Amino acid sequence: EDQVTQSPEALRLQEGESSSLNCSYTVSGLRGLFWYRQDPGKGPEFLFTLYSAGEEKEKERLKATLTKKESFLHITAPKPEDSATYLCAGDTNQAGTALIFGKGTTLSVSS
Amino acid sequence: NAGVTQTPKFQVLKTGQSMTLQCAQDMNHEYMSWYRQDPGMGLRLIHYSVGAGITDQGEVPNGYNVSRSTTEDFPLRLLSAAPSQTSVYFCASSYGAGSSETQYFGPGTRLLVL
Repeated sequence: EDQVTQSPEALRLQEGESSSLNCSYTVSGLRGLFWYRQDPGKGPEFLFTLYSAGEEKEKERLKATLTKKESFLHITAPKPEDSATYLCAGDTNQAGTALIFGKGTTLSVSS
Repeated sequence: NAGVTQTPKFQVLKTGQSMTLQCAQDMNHEYMSWYRQDPGMGLRLIHYSVGAGITDQGEVPNGYNVSRSTTEDFPLRLLSAAPSQTSVYFCASSYGAGSSETQYFGPGTRLLVL
């Protein structure tokens, strides 16, 4: 059965304290691994897509990496505005339509 | 561009009532999909469409109907609402094959079934 598991469920950081979120997956025929950010009461906002092991992508304080079994979202020197729920999803359809989501990691960054 | 829009934002239904959740996109995306989000369950795929006239079932399709008569619109129909369908519903769209870099989600519809 295709599955995406995220850990930890919740993470509290001090401003400037770097850390990583984990996404492990067992998705047959994986075509891509997506990361999204979701703020309370809003829809998920696209962050990254990774397609092959060894690939890395960066955006401001965020860097996503991919291995054959898991993906990491590294957060460097986080700020309070980085507080959100981060969702990981595996794509078994070429156009990114059939996404299998993990349950998310809720990040809280305090100043 | 408005992106992906969903209406209504919030709806209360009684058990057994039917309703349609509307989703529209103005980005000429071929691919559209519906998800529901429940506490502790994450986002689960209900139905998706790879183009006008083509739809397919996702992980949790029971109790829901979809059709795609135009590229822009992808409505989700609840045939006979049940309390188990209380959830937040998100519509999403993306570009066609070969350019799936960006998946856009709508703001969601919160549904309460009494």
